[in-house]
Amino acid sequence: AQSVTQPDIHITVSEGASLELRCNYSYGATPYLFWYVQSPGQGLQLLLKYFSGDTLVQGIKGFEAEFKRSQSSFNLRKPSVHWSDAAEYFCAVGALTGGGNKLTFGTGTQLKVEL
Amino acid sequence: DTEVTQTPKHLVMGMTNKKSLKCEQHMGHRAMYWYKQKAKKPPELMFVYSYEKLSINESVPSRFSPECPNSSLLNLHLHALQPEDSALYLCASSQVQSTDTQYFGPGTRLTVL
Repeated sequence: AQSVTQPDIHITVSEGASLELRCNYSYGATPYLFWYVQSPGQGLQLLLKYFSGDTLVQGIKGFEAEFKRSQSSFNLRKPSVHWSDAAEYFCAVGALTGGGNKLTFGTGTQLKVEL
Repeated sequence: DTEVTQTPKHLVMGMTNKKSLKCEQHMGHRAMYWYKQKAKKPPELMFVYSYEKLSINESVPSRFSPECPNSSLLNLHLHALQPEDSALYLCASSQVQSTDTQYFGPGTRLTVL
């Protein structure tokens, strides 16, 4: 069964600083990997996804992520954080099962941005 | 249009009430999902519908009853809930292929008294 680990529960960065959120996955086959962001009381918005091909994936809002098979990682990065990036970030791995893409989420990383 | 809508936004119900949550999408997606999310936790999959048929039930108690009347609508019927069922209920939709993105609605915040 697939699983996702996000080792950092909370991260605080200053506005304008760079950001890296860690994600490690466990999956027997080629993983389908996603990063979602959730603002308080809201639904989840997709930032980016990886299925195959180029291991550096560009997403919305200036985010990017790099897939490293050897490290089973899919870390999210942003070169300069904005105050509006404060939110909960979820890494997820997907698998097709019984129709539909079954997502397994990590426990999330709460990002706080200091002005 | 990549919007999934959910109604109501908030719902407060007693343990003896019967209520329903509604989810709608017009993206032509043929897979629809219900998730439950407790505070400070990730979403947990409850049900998956594929081509309007229930394809996954993650051992959800029978007091939650899903329904997919057509390819655009997904309902979750609630009856005799417990206070521990209070949570944010998220609906999502996608194409059926494994690589397709799931698009999430804003959720219904449910409080069971």
